Amino acid sequence: AQSVTQLGSHVSVSEGALVLLRCNYSSSVPPYLFWYVQYPNQGLQLLLKYTTGATLVKGINGFEAEFKKSETSFHLTKPSAHMSDAAEYFCAVSPANTGTASKLTFGTGTRLQVTL
Amino acid sequence: DAGVIQSPRHEVTEMGQEVTLRCKPISGHNSLFWYRQTMMRGLELLIYFNNNVPIDDSGMPEDRFSAKMPNASFSTLKIQPSEPRDSAVYFCASTSLGSLSALHFGNGTRLTVT
Repeated sequence: AQSVTQLGSHVSVSEGALVLLRCNYSSSVPPYLFWYVQYPNQGLQLLLKYTTGATLVKGINGFEAEFKKSETSFHLTKPSAHMSDAAEYFCAVSPANTGTASKLTFGTGTRLQVTL
Repeated sequence: DAGVIQSPRHEVTEMGQEVTLRCKPISGHNSLFWYRQTMMRGLELLIYFNNNVPIDDSGMPEDRFSAKMPNASFSTLKIQPSEPRDSAVYFCASTSLGSLSALHFGNGTRLTVT
């Protein structure tokens, strides 16, 4: 069984400030981990994913996340926020023992607000 | 790449009516998923198919919900009869079975049942 906890349903940062969105997971088997972004009235788009290899993964739009097994975390960061980053962000987990990254369990989402 | 295509984008119907949501996955993808998104419950997996075969429908809330995938390029999610609590955004997503590719989502169908 897997679950994802996203701390903070709303996060507000100033433009140019660091973005940190928190995600902790629970999984009985090694996980695949994902971050998705959802803009208003759109579907979810993949930001980045961790499957194997390097634990620091870089994604689109300057975002990155680090898989920390000891902390069961996969926090999303961006050094400098831009107004266009305002959206809802979802962390998701999938069991690695299936050999596929398909069946995802999503967190409840964090809405990022970027202010001037 | 046309992406995952869902129709309609918006559906407003009265309680008791039948609703059919449609999805065309990305060509070549052989896994298809239906999700429902609400403010209260977030994103919930309803059902998924591999190679057109339903694999796990444990997320389908009630017998009023049914899903089919008659071929690799088309799937439907039907609600009959619809109820106000079915109001939500329904997403279809596809990927390649056995790969480490992530899900590709459509833009969703916003269903309102009055």
